[in-house]
Amino acid sequence: AQSVTQLDSHVSVSEGTPVLLRCNYSSSYSPSLFWYVQHPNKGLQLLLKYTSAATLVKGINGFEAEFKKSETSFHLTKPSAHMSDAAEYFCVVSDQNAGGTSYGKLTFGQGTILTVHP
Amino acid sequence: DADVTQTPRNRITKTGKRIMLECSQTKGHDRMYWYRQDPGLGLRLIYYSFDVKDINKGEISDGYSVSRQAQAKFSLSLESAIPNQTALYFCATSPGQGREETQYFGPGTRLLVL
Repeated sequence: AQSVTQLDSHVSVSEGTPVLLRCNYSSSYSPSLFWYVQHPNKGLQLLLKYTSAATLVKGINGFEAEFKKSETSFHLTKPSAHMSDAAEYFCVVSDQNAGGTSYGKLTFGQGTILTVHP
Repeated sequence: DADVTQTPRNRITKTGKRIMLECSQTKGHDRMYWYRQDPGLGLRLIYYSFDVKDINKGEISDGYSVSRQAQAKFSLSLESAIPNQTALYFCATSPGQGREETQYFGPGTRLLVL
């Protein structure tokens, strides 16, 4: 069984300061991990994904995440927050079987609401 | 044009009414999914379909049914709506090949059951 825990329900930062959104996961084999962003009254947009290539993954809008198997973590970071980053962020895991084939089912974390102050 | 579309975008209905939410995609993907989003709970999987002849229950299927009319269309029905089905509903698709299981989401349908 797979699960995801986002450690903070709300994060507040000032514009221009670093962003850290924390995510821990559990899965049976080698997971694929994703971060999605949802702006107010909008659908979900893929920020980045990890699928067993490089452990440091770069996404859109300056975000990146590092896969740490020993810590079962996939934290999302950005060096400098922008007002437009204010949104809800979801960490998501997709499990695979021993052969590396995806089951195709995603498990979502509870979400982290990011607030950016001027 | 959007690759994954949902209709209606907003709907208000009364307890006991039957309602259908529709999803269409032009991405040519085999796999389609229905989720509901509730504040503080993330998205939870209702039903999923890996091809036209394959329908599977997700973690919260009670009170819902689905129909995969074609590769491009996947409908979600609430046979007798109840207030705790008030939520934001998302349809998603994925290609169903190998490890590249990124899911692509529609814009969502906001449903209010009175």
